[in-house]
Amino acid sequence: GAGVSQTPSNKVTEKGKYVELRCDPISGHTALYWYRQSLGQGPEFLIYFQGTGAADDSGLPNDRFFAVRPEGSVSTLKIQRTERGDSAVYLCASSPGRNTEAFFGQGTRLTVV
Amino acid sequence: DAKTTQPPSMDCAEGRAANLPCNHSTISGNEYVYWYRQIHSQGPQYIIHGLKNNETNEMASLIITEDRKSSTLILPHATLRDTAVYYCIVRVVSNTGKLIFGQGTTLQVKP
Repeated sequence: GAGVSQTPSNKVTEKGKYVELRCDPISGHTALYWYRQSLGQGPEFLIYFQGTGAADDSGLPNDRFFAVRPEGSVSTLKIQRTERGDSAVYLCASSPGRNTEAFFGQGTRLTVV
Repeated sequence: DAKTTQPPSMDCAEGRAANLPCNHSTISGNEYVYWYRQIHSQGPQYIIHGLKNNETNEMASLIITEDRKSSTLILPHATLRDTAVYYCIVRVVSNTGKLIFGQGTTLQVKP
């Protein structure tokens, strides 16, 4: 595909469960970002990958959140012991380099019940 | 990163130009002005960016004041499909290049 792909598009989980959200960036893009967007708010930065390494994870709210990008392409955002406050749209973006235009996916809507 | 201030909402008649203002009075010399928009239920979409010169592309024009403390995004002929939240972002060239989004301006294009 030509764009950033995120799966699933919607995820409903019970409080306390573990979830994984997947991001397939545009082929060849070395930079990858995760954002979280709550209703009525702008996207909030979570973590940035350059290649395989997490170069900036300053936006992760706590140690229940973790993300990986083992081969420098696909990334997975992992949330342990989900809480109702984790409910949001999780957005992934990729770009050819760290200071170039970022392309966003459609997001995964996570609902914790 | 410098903070931006945008009006929370604006209306525009279809076919007319939409002029979206943004104040960034604390902008530094190495910070760019970026504009993104987010149509309902979609991810943000890049529109345009600039440093100090005015810029134009197929989507919009960006006018940056000489002192760089404010800018205006211009959609020359707004359509109903331009209804969206528009984000003005000041982005420093950094080790991460992350974008820091504010609340944006909700533009409603009316028939």
